[in-house]
Amino acid sequence: AQSVTQLDSHVSVSEGTPVLLRCNYSSSYSPSLFWYVQHPNKGLQLLLKYTSAATLVKGINGFEAEFKKSETSFHLTKPSAHMSDAAEYFCVVSVGGGSQGNLIFGKGTKLSVKP
Amino acid sequence: KAGVTQTPRYLIKTRGQQVTLSCSPISGHRSVSWYQQTPGQGLQFLFEYFSETQRNKGNFPGRFSGRQFSNSRSEMNVSTLELGDSALYLCASSYRPGVNTEAFFGQGTRLTVV
Repeated sequence: AQSVTQLDSHVSVSEGTPVLLRCNYSSSYSPSLFWYVQHPNKGLQLLLKYTSAATLVKGINGFEAEFKKSETSFHLTKPSAHMSDAAEYFCVVSVGGGSQGNLIFGKGTKLSVKP
Repeated sequence: KAGVTQTPRYLIKTRGQQVTLSCSPISGHRSVSWYQQTPGQGLQFLFEYFSETQRNKGNFPGRFSGRQFSNSRSEMNVSTLELGDSALYLCASSYRPGVNTEAFFGQGTRLTVV
C-alpha cells in the first residue's frame, strides 16, 4: 500500500532562514507526489508536483522539493522563509483511486515563522 | 479561469438535521472529490465522481452521500447529523481521475453541529 509520512508535526524557523519540511513515502512503484499548503481557514493550494520527470521540482513562492528514490524521500525546502509562509503543509501521494481516493495525505506539518 | 467554488462557506446545524453542501469545479473539469478535514483525523476521503458516476467511496457511513450533475457540479448530503460531523469539508476538482492528475481545492465549507 502507498503512504506518506511527514516526519515533523511542527517546524519553527526565523524569517530569512531556510525551511526544511520532511516527507517519506512508501510505494511499490514510481509514485506521483505533491506538496500542498493550507493557510488558516482556507482550502489547499498546490505548491508543486513530481511525476517522474526531473527529480528536483520547483514550485510556487520559491519552494522546491527533491525526489530521492534511494531514501524514499520528497522533502520540501525554501532558502529563505517569509512571514507569509506560516501555514500547514501536506505531502501527498497519488494512488489512482480506491477506498482512500486518488490522493493519500500526510498528517501535515505546521510551519511557524518568527520575526 | 474561476477556481473551485464551495457554498456555503459556513454552516451551523443542530444534531439530527441534514445538510447539503455544493461544489462547482473549474470549468472543463469533470472529476470532483470530497474530503473531510478534522484536527484529530486529518484529511479523509469521502467520495469521487466523474461524469456523474461515483468512482470511489471512502469509509464513511451511509449518512454521507453525494451526486454529480451533468454540468459537473457536485453536492454532498449528510443526514441525521452528529456532533462528530463537525469539520471542514473540502471539494477537489480535476480534469480527469487518475494518477498524475493535479487536484485543485475549494476553500471549503465549515460545518458546525451543535
